[in-house]
Amino acid sequence: AQSVSQHNHHVILSEAASLELGCNYSYGGTVNLFWYVQYPGQHLQLLLKYFSGDPLVKGIKGFEAEFIKSKFSFNLRKPSVQWSDTAEYFCAVTTGYFTGGGNKLTFGTGTQLKVEL
Amino acid sequence: DAGVIQSPRHEVTEMGQEVTLRCKPISGHDYLFWYRQTMMRGLELLIYFNNNVPIDDSGMPEDRFSAKMPNASFSTLKIQPSEPRDSAVYFCASSSTGNQPQHFGDGTRLSIL
Repeated sequence: AQSVSQHNHHVILSEAASLELGCNYSYGGTVNLFWYVQYPGQHLQLLLKYFSGDPLVKGIKGFEAEFIKSKFSFNLRKPSVQWSDTAEYFCAVTTGYFTGGGNKLTFGTGTQLKVEL
Repeated sequence: DAGVIQSPRHEVTEMGQEVTLRCKPISGHDYLFWYRQTMMRGLELLIYFNNNVPIDDSGMPEDRFSAKMPNASFSTLKIQPSEPRDSAVYFCASSSTGNQPQHFGDGTRLSIL
């Protein structure tokens, strides 16, 4: 079974600092990768996704992520964070192979980002 | 567009009581997922349905939990009897056919006293 690791549990940055959140997965086959964001008290929202093609994926709100297959990684980046980016960020993976249907997401444990003014 | 709709948003009840959480997926979505989120365990998939049929319920913690999807527009997650350790935020999500992203509801914050 696949698993997802997010090594940074809490990150504190000042506004305008650059952000990189690590995500590693364990699965040797084809994967689909996602980053979700959860603002305080809200539901999860999709930031970006990777299915195939260009390994550098751009999402909403200036976020991007790079899929590096050799490193089993899908790190999230943003060049300059804002106070409004304070939230919890979840990396997630599904395998591309259907065994009876469905896209069962496996989530990482999340990274709590706090951006200070 | 109407997103995934969950009710109630908050539920506080005493242990031993039956709790029913409700979810209306996005129209046209064939997949429906129930998740539980806690500080200790993060986001856990409890069960998911495809075309109203339960596909994988391996995440359901124990027999006190049950989920149904009587039609394409409605699902319930029931806990009977409830226990304090069931306190969590329960999310419902839906997606269209294939590896499309899941859309999450606002969640039900459940507190069992």
